[in-house]
Amino acid sequence: QLQLQESGPGLVKPSETLSLTCTVSGGSIITKSYYWGWIRQPPGKGLEWIGTMFYTGVSYYSPSLKSRLTMSVDTSKSQFSLKLTSVTAADTAVYYCTRLGYNDGSGDYWGQGTLVTVSS
Amino acid sequence: QSALTQPPSASGSPGQSVTISCTGTSSDVGGYNYVSWYQQHPGKAPKLIIYEVSKRPSGVPDRFSGSKSGNTASLTVSGLQAEDETDFYCSSYAGNNNVVFGGGTKLTVL
Repeated sequence: QLQLQESGPGLVKPSETLSLTCTVSGGSIITKSYYWGWIRQPPGKGLEWIGTMFYTGVSYYSPSLKSRLTMSVDTSKSQFSLKLTSVTAADTAVYYCTRLGYNDGSGDYWGQGTLVTVSS
Repeated sequence: QSALTQPPSASGSPGQSVTISCTGTSSDVGGYNYVSWYQQHPGKAPKLIIYEVSKRPSGVPDRFSGSKSGNTASLTVSGLQAEDETDFYCSSYAGNNNVVFGGGTKLTVL
């Protein structure tokens, strides 16, 4: 059974960089059928797509976050990561990592999510 | 890209059917047959219940069904049960490897 697990600091100061890692287990991160992605959900609000990446490192970012976002992959560790710079309180959210279908972008496996709070 | 439009709330009595709409544009919902629906219980990760407009992943009851007409997709929940009282989100492929979500609908079972 494929499992995804987010890890990273739960508290980040304003203007600093938010860094999260997703570890994939129970299956290979090297697949031509799926992307690996990040989705976030501010407290009490809806879901927002952040970005997706292929195991080769090719990435696609949300236009609204593109200028602050970098995603990367380490296939040797079965991990993919995100870095979001210059964070503000608006970036406070539960961050989920997910596996997304290559053709349709549907997320069939999700991590449990990790709450990241931006506060001084 | 703008978020897809969903009604904030929907309701129905046990055993009844309820339909939740998801309206986009020709650049997302109307342009591709790649609409997905998710069910999210409080404090939990979303669960995929419909993909490619009307397909159900293994294990999802056939009480959940999806459809699309033009720029609007719909999720129908038949035979409402108390456990269906939760949040539902739609999403669509939006071109250039982008994905867009709806704002979510809270379903109440009366």
